Amino acid sequence: QVHLVQSGSDLKKPGASVKVSCKASGYIFTHYAMVWVRQAPGQGLEWMGWINTNTGNPTYAQGFTGRFVFSLDTSVSTAYLQISSLKAEDTAVFYCARVGGYEMFFDSWGQGTLVTVSS
Amino acid sequence: SYELTQPPSVSVSPGQTARITCSGDALSKQYAYWYQQKPGQAPVLMIYKDSERPSGIPERFSGSSSGTTVTLTISGVQAEDEADYYCQSADSSGSVVFGGGTKLTVL
Repeated sequence: QVHLVQSGSDLKKPGASVKVSCKASGYIFTHYAMVWVRQAPGQGLEWMGWINTNTGNPTYAQGFTGRFVFSLDTSVSTAYLQISSLKAEDTAVFYCARVGGYEMFFDSWGQGTLVTVSS
Repeated sequence: SYELTQPPSVSVSPGQTARITCSGDALSKQYAYWYQQKPGQAPVLMIYKDSERPSGIPERFSGSSSGTTVTLTISGVQAEDEADYYCQSADSSGSVVFGGGTKLTVL
């Protein structure tokens, strides 16, 4: 069955960078796009964008350009989210999720990675 | 971009029917999807393409669409259904939006 396993929680200081990983198994990695979703503490879900796992081409949602980078290592079926110049307001749980098909919906999710930004 | 509007909360007694609505102009042209999220857990897809149920999702969960409003219906609500529910859609360019979420309380 499909599994997405994310890296563990991380505590970072303001200005630092963080890289979250999402390792996929149970399906052909390059056949399904991957999205990233942010959930700030006590808040709702916010779509950050998606990456075409076949071409590596990323698409970023409004508000997630500049400091946010999606990347892949297809040899290990892993997607990455890197955030640079971290701010306190970046504190959130970040989820990767598999795009279910041609339509943009998400049929499998990682367990989430809590990134805490604090001095 | 556009918005999807959900009621912040819905309360229902066990065994009753819960209905959670989601409204947005794009819903008349685009499919809606529903996710369930329990505290400390990742979201789970409950309904796709307005009314389709993924395998493994109980039959008491159903979805419907009318105009610019979609509805998630939970028939015979159980205590385990207490969770946050999010609707989601995408516009023609592929940009995704989530509703603000509805907290379902089972009394």
